[in-house]
Amino acid sequence: DTAVSQTPKYLVTQMGNDKSIKCEQNLGHDTMYWYKQDSKKFLKIMFSYNNKELIINETVPNRFSPKSPDKAHLNLHINSLELGDSAVYFCASSQDQTGGRGYTFGSGTRLTVV
Amino acid sequence: AQSVSQHNHHVILSEAASLELGCNYSYGGTVNLFWYVQYPGQHLQLLLKYFSGDPLVKGIKGFEAEFIKSKFSFNLRKPSVQWSDTAEYFCAVNAPAAGNKLTFGGGTRVLVKP
Repeated sequence: DTAVSQTPKYLVTQMGNDKSIKCEQNLGHDTMYWYKQDSKKFLKIMFSYNNKELIINETVPNRFSPKSPDKAHLNLHINSLELGDSAVYFCASSQDQTGGRGYTFGSGTRLTVV
Repeated sequence: AQSVSQHNHHVILSEAASLELGCNYSYGGTVNLFWYVQYPGQHLQLLLKYFSGDPLVKGIKGFEAEFIKSKFSFNLRKPSVQWSDTAEYFCAVNAPAAGNKLTFGGGTRVLVKP
């Protein structure tokens, strides 16, 4: 039973395309996140939603648009993909927005833009 | 805003050697501290976390970490490593009074030679 699941696991696409990555958690957590891990393994938060409400929005190009239809899902849509968007994207969740009980990460989506 | 620095980018050691990875953070208030491990091609897994109480925290797989508030440090240790400990290790900090963003260090790549 996967706690935080992301699809797809791998995504190869051409520049200029629009793509979506989906994330679902079955932990009953209130807060979900998207992180980007670049080629040097550096992890940086992109967005955070608490109970479907956006609470963290880092300096991310507006080509990236998160959507949370309910608190168990947080999807990431990317328009007009660029080469620099190639990275591994991790979804995560925590019980509440304090993160005080820890975070659970998904297995990642490796996006390659060619 | 808080930041996290991990001093060693790469560590190479032999099996049975002892391991210590440094982590320092910059934030003067209350923090929650984490160490995550990422095995090759896999997602982030929580090794251990510190929220309050005993500053010496024991985690999974024989790892432990010590929170030294005066030094703003949370170093990770393992007395005797195994080949299977080869992975990338990330220190992370979350400050409840500073927006609750989980901020990661740059990671330390550990290679254990058999």
